[in-house]
Amino acid sequence: DSGVTQTPKHLITATGQRVTLRCSPRSGDLSVYWYQQSLDQGLQFLIQYYNGEERAKGNILERFSAQQFPDLHSELNLSSLELGDSALYFCASSQTGQGAVGYTFGSGTRLTVV
Amino acid sequence: AQSVTQLGSHVSVSEGALVLLRCNYSSSVPPYLFWYVQYPNQGLQLLLKYTTGATLVKGINGFEAEFKKSETSFHLTKPSAHMSDAAEYFCAVSVVNDYKLSFGAGTTVTVRA
Repeated sequence: DSGVTQTPKHLITATGQRVTLRCSPRSGDLSVYWYQQSLDQGLQFLIQYYNGEERAKGNILERFSAQQFPDLHSELNLSSLELGDSALYFCASSQTGQGAVGYTFGSGTRLTVV
Repeated sequence: AQSVTQLGSHVSVSEGALVLLRCNYSSSVPPYLFWYVQYPNQGLQLLLKYTTGATLVKGINGFEAEFKKSETSFHLTKPSAHMSDAAEYFCAVSVVNDYKLSFGAGTTVTVRA
């Protein structure tokens, strides 16, 4: 157990729908990162939050959004889902907002859009 | 911007043989380098990292990596492969004051009995 908790582990939904993925960071970590992992794109950085504020954006689609709450858990919202959104979505956390210290990853949410 | 390139998307080794996974980085400033492992249906787990200091870094599960600035490389090795080493391995890079890790495409390791 890495200490980073992601729910749900699996999600199957239809095209056009909206889903919310949840992440609780490791105790003491202030920063949360979201990554998408797919066979064709590999690991793609989506977005980072630090202590409740958006810190950086990567290759995140406009249909996707995220937020970090006062208790530091984070949610990734995916809307108007398309077949191509099927992927593993990982949350990672770190104590600081810098990649140089490395991340701790959760076990991911596998999203299947049918 | 910094980046890493992993040479070889698949590596197959015999049990007991040397495991060598290649990673080259590109960075205009001193890099911080990482190796992560991903077992099937699991998240990424940190194997080892190089920040500063000793260029030979030892990690978990008998893995080690050597930072070679002159070759811009950070190859991962394990002297004797075990069946449990079958997984996907990712090299990653960051630099001071950067917010994120940039990952390579990954190398899948298969261990033959």
